[in-house]
Amino acid sequence: EVQLVESGGGLVQPGGSLRLSCAASGFTFSSYSMNWVRQAPGKGLEWVSYISSSSSTIYYADSVKGRFTISRDNAKNSLYLQMNSLRDEDTAVYYCARGSYGYFVDYWGQGTLVTVSS
Amino acid sequence: QSVLTQPPSVSGAPGQRVTISCTGSSSNIGAGYDVHWYQQLPGTAPKLLIYGNSNRPSGVPDRFSGSKSGTSASLAITGLQAEDEADYYCQSYDSSLSVHYVFGTGTKVTVL
Repeated sequence: EVQLVESGGGLVQPGGSLRLSCAASGFTFSSYSMNWVRQAPGKGLEWVSYISSSSSTIYYADSVKGRFTISRDNAKNSLYLQMNSLRDEDTAVYYCARGSYGYFVDYWGQGTLVTVSS
Repeated sequence: QSVLTQPPSVSGAPGQRVTISCTGSSSNIGAGYDVHWYQQLPGTAPKLLIYGNSNRPSGVPDRFSGSKSGTSASLAITGLQAEDEADYYCQSYDSSLSVHYVFGTGTKVTVL
């Protein structure tokens, strides 16, 4: 069974940093691209970042480019999101999401809440 | 802001058929990129419902179907059930934005 478990969310002040982690199990992690997708309270889904299976290709949404860094450790079956210079508008539930061939998400984690507030 | 537009809400009685539209442009759906659909039940993570315009993952009831034409796509739910009450999102690729995952604005389905 595919499982994606996020951790690392919490309350942080504007301008602060946070590192999210996603532990993957139930599939060959190194064979799949991965994504982070977020959802602000009461709002829709927003794609944040993409990383290919070998980390050779990385993309970011314009809204986080230069502030967020996606990475992965295939030996540890883990995905990460380093978030710096956090803003109020980064407040959201962040989902770890497995990418499938054809550029869609076939499995989602349960999400971790990041709250940016003073 | 999203480049894929969906109606904010649709509703129907149990057993009825409802459809949700997803309107894009020549740089996404109209360019031939596939459309995918996700269901998000209240308080839960999204779940893949339809991929590649019209394909259902294993375990998704055949009451759910997808189609695509021109610059739009649609999700149909036939035989609406109470457990179908959820938010639904379309998703595609947009060449003008150079990002793989562009989500629709989302549609709340209410079962009357």
